[in-house]
Amino acid sequence: QKEVEQDPGPLSVPEGAIVSLNCTYSNSAFQYFMWYRQYSRKGPELLMYTYSSGNKEDGRFTAQVDKSSKYISLFIRDSQPSDSATYLCAMGGNNRLAFGKGNQVVVIP
Amino acid sequence: GAGVSQSPSNKVTEKGKDVELRCDPISGHTALYWYRQSLGQGLEFLIYFQGNSAPDKSGLPSDRFSAERTGGSVSTLTIQRTQQEDSAVYLCASSPDGNTDTQYFGPGTRLTVL
Repeated sequence: QKEVEQDPGPLSVPEGAIVSLNCTYSNSAFQYFMWYRQYSRKGPELLMYTYSSGNKEDGRFTAQVDKSSKYISLFIRDSQPSDSATYLCAMGGNNRLAFGKGNQVVVIP
Repeated sequence: GAGVSQSPSNKVTEKGKDVELRCDPISGHTALYWYRQSLGQGLEFLIYFQGNSAPDKSGLPSDRFSAERTGGSVSTLTIQRTQQEDSAVYLCASSPDGNTDTQYFGPGTRLTVL
């Protein structure tokens, strides 16, 4: 079983819709949880991070962590065409990150 | 300010040749990471440098891969006798303090092995 599972299927949504992404993980030692956004031909950029179970909001983005279920989610409200990118979840601990495979999201105007 | 830079941005090589990929971290960042991103595979950790400590090489896939970091700044990832399965985007990231929640990534080097 991989440390981090993220169904890599592409996702197309109309502008204004809610985008919902999620990952599961197997290693209980992970201490922090992140979402990265990666535009085509660019490096990943940190979008959200959290250390604890619960919700964290930043503008249109909400990160949700459930440590008991080893499950994290990212929600994008009122999605915009500029949100079109690949979103990668990542789990951290011991100076190393483990990444999911990423979801390509396309927001259609 | 300047971010993490990597060169070359693209590299095409023939199977069996050696390649060197360069990473210039953000000035003052003590930690430097190399990752490999293959199509449909996500980011794979390769190696981690922190200050003057011995590097964590646990992610290097074979002894054909090596990396060094000179003077605590610039890093070079070397792949010897390249194989087609080495084709991927190689990403470098740096962090001011070794905490992985503050990694900043470069744009990557896209390596194609023919």
